[in-house]
Amino acid sequence: GQQLNQSPQSMFIQEGEDVSMNCTSSSIFNTWLWYKQDPGEGPVLLIALYKAGELTSNGRLTAQFGITRKDSFLNISASIPSDVGIYFCAGQRFISNFGNEKLTFGTGTRLTIIP
Amino acid sequence: DGGITQSPKYLFRKEGQNVTLSCEQNLNHDAMYWYRQDPGQGLRLIYYSQIVNDFQKGDIAEGYSVSREKKESFPLTVTSAQKNPTAFYLCASSIGRRPQHFGDGTRLSIL
Repeated sequence: GQQLNQSPQSMFIQEGEDVSMNCTSSSIFNTWLWYKQDPGEGPVLLIALYKAGELTSNGRLTAQFGITRKDSFLNISASIPSDVGIYFCAGQRFISNFGNEKLTFGTGTRLTIIP
Repeated sequence: DGGITQSPKYLFRKEGQNVTLSCEQNLNHDAMYWYRQDPGQGLRLIYYSQIVNDFQKGDIAEGYSVSREKKESFPLTVTSAQKNPTAFYLCASSIGRRPQHFGDGTRLSIL
């Protein structure tokens, strides 16, 4: 099955720095989602984007749905220790008249904060 | 609180043994999903179910089986035919076109 191209694979930053990561696809998606996963836990939804060009913020997080519907980026401003984890993008498309979605995930960006 | 409960948190399988992972949700979601996560990789879809008594294969269904007898429950059986079962298994659910929400996972290891 397809996986999205997510970059960078890992980031090592100092506390207070800004972070940027992105996902690209060869296919169009109806929705872009960004999740964060802590070790040994399930992914937690951060931001959902539903329209091409949409720019949405959630606290220090900002994400955009690309105009072509084939890409998305996530920015984190003024990083703090609890931002450490793995960030996944996911593209969502409709799979039936039930309206339920099938997700295609990126390979993840591992964020580490250097003391 | 409403949510998705996966059990057990850790599971060990002997060679040739089938094991079943539990997933229960009290969110009244119609759709449920099972994913497999390997180190350094994203999530890959094993099976999904949109309504009770119906389910569909995902991208990596071989060696797995599911059932959906109740709306709240979507157990996953890892059969002996799955030759590389060691992984982190995640269950998710959704309603309509809203985003999927995930449980906390089950880590399966081979003895």
